[in-house]
Amino acid sequence: DTGVSQDPRHKITKRGQNVTFRCDPISEHNRLYWYRQTLGQGPEFLTYFQNEAQLEKSRLLSDRFSAERPKGSFSTLEIQRTEQGDSAMYLCASSPNQGAGGNTEAFFGQGTRLTVV
Amino acid sequence: AQKITQTQPGMFVQEKEAVTLDCTYDTSDQSYGLFWYKQPSSGEMIFLIYQGSYDEQNATEGRYSLNFQKARKSANLVISASQLGDSAMYFCAMRDARDGSGGSNYKLTFGKGTLLTVNP
Repeated sequence: DTGVSQDPRHKITKRGQNVTFRCDPISEHNRLYWYRQTLGQGPEFLTYFQNEAQLEKSRLLSDRFSAERPKGSFSTLEIQRTEQGDSAMYLCASSPNQGAGGNTEAFFGQGTRLTVV
Repeated sequence: AQKITQTQPGMFVQEKEAVTLDCTYDTSDQSYGLFWYKQPSSGEMIFLIYQGSYDEQNATEGRYSLNFQKARKSANLVISASQLGDSAMYFCAMRDARDGSGGSNYKLTFGKGTLLTVNP
């Protein structure tokens, strides 16, 4: 396994269109995360899956955003009716379950850069 | 709520010299973890080093070391013998080490990052 894979790497879309991103985590990692990173900022947490269950959604995730992880493997993030403010890098990460010390790092993909015009 | 502050938007260092990137954090939790990630222009976040709040020794990983001062709530990254390939954004991040009972040992809170440029 070569790491977390995200597709596409870049997406340009017109305002109002729907877009969907895919994330393939490292196999056997049961935790999967989505983060959003805007220019000049660090990544911000969007949502978290433990296997196929979505256990937390950030307030940043408006009703236009939906994420799924069917069968606990790959995940998709869909944005409906895109707005210019949605332009950002969308990062996916995965990790195994935490050890007792909480020191398990998250492995990130290269991200999908979305531009809404 | 957890907060990470990185006060250096940009840093410059000469090749082969050491550099310190600052990070301070704010949390009311007693059990937490601190991480440093590197983000080159390709976009991928690369894990560098981890420090647990109860670790007595400062973490080290090759040329990276973490200067952890718990009372001052600082977790500065030290890169020794800088290389041209070290030029990138560097992010400090924190995660709660607990799970349940209000803890969430999965969510990372990141700072705004420091852009490091290594000059030849």
